[in-house]
Amino acid sequence: DQQVKQNSPSLSVQEGRISILNCDYTNSMFDYFLWYKKYPAEGPTFLISISSIKDKNEDGRFTVFLNKSAKHLSLHIVPSQPGDSAVYFCAASGFNSGGSNYKLTFGKGTLLTVNP
Amino acid sequence: DGGITQSPKYLFRKEGQNVTLSCEQNLNHDAMYWYRQDPGQGLRLIYYSQIVNDFQKGDIAEGYSVSREKKESFPLTVTSAQKNPTAFYLCASRKTGEGYTFGSGTRLTVV
Repeated sequence: DQQVKQNSPSLSVQEGRISILNCDYTNSMFDYFLWYKKYPAEGPTFLISISSIKDKNEDGRFTVFLNKSAKHLSLHIVPSQPGDSAVYFCAASGFNSGGSNYKLTFGKGTLLTVNP
Repeated sequence: DGGITQSPKYLFRKEGQNVTLSCEQNLNHDAMYWYRQDPGQGLRLIYYSQIVNDFQKGDIAEGYSVSREKKESFPLTVTSAQKNPTAFYLCASRKTGEGYTFGSGTRLTVV
C-alpha cells in the first residue's frame, strides 16, 4: 500500500509560469514533509520542508502548502525556469517519532519539464 | 566539506556474483539509509541503521545485506540472491531532527 502518492508522473510548463506539483498521503502519523529534486544519475537534493504545525512554507521561488485535513501537499514553483526541469519527490515521516517512522517514505516522483 | 561519498559511480556485476557498494559520510550523522531507485518506482528503502552495530530491514531487503561497524560507514552487499539487482542505489544519512542528505548514487548493472 502506497502511503505517499504522486499521481502525476510528469508535468510540462512554460518558462515563467507556475509549476504545481501535488502529493497525497494516507498515514495520519506523518507530521513532517519534504520535497527533493533529482537530476538523472545524481542523488536527490533537499528542496524544502514543512512540519504539520504549519500550512505554508516559502523559500524563494518555492512554496509548499500543506492541507492536513485532506492529507495533501503541493509544491509551487514561481516563476518556473528551465533549470528546474528534474524529477521531484515528495517524502514524509513521523518527524518526532522513533521506531518505524524514523525513516522517510517517498512518492514515485513527478518529472517536471520547463520549456523555454 | 562534509558530505556523503558513494563509490563507485558505475558498477558492473556478473550474474551469480556478490558485489559491495560503499557509502561513507563525514557529517557525524547517526542514521544511515540505503534506497533503490527503479524507473517509475520512486525510492524504495532497502536497509537502515540508526546507530552503530544496529540495522533494520526496509521494504525490499531480500537479497541484500549491510553492516554498520563504524558510524561513518554503511556498506551494502548485493548478493546473488537478489533477482533483479540492476538499479540506481542511493545512500543517505540523517542527523536527528533534520532531513536526509543523499550521496550521488551508484548505478549497478548486471551483465
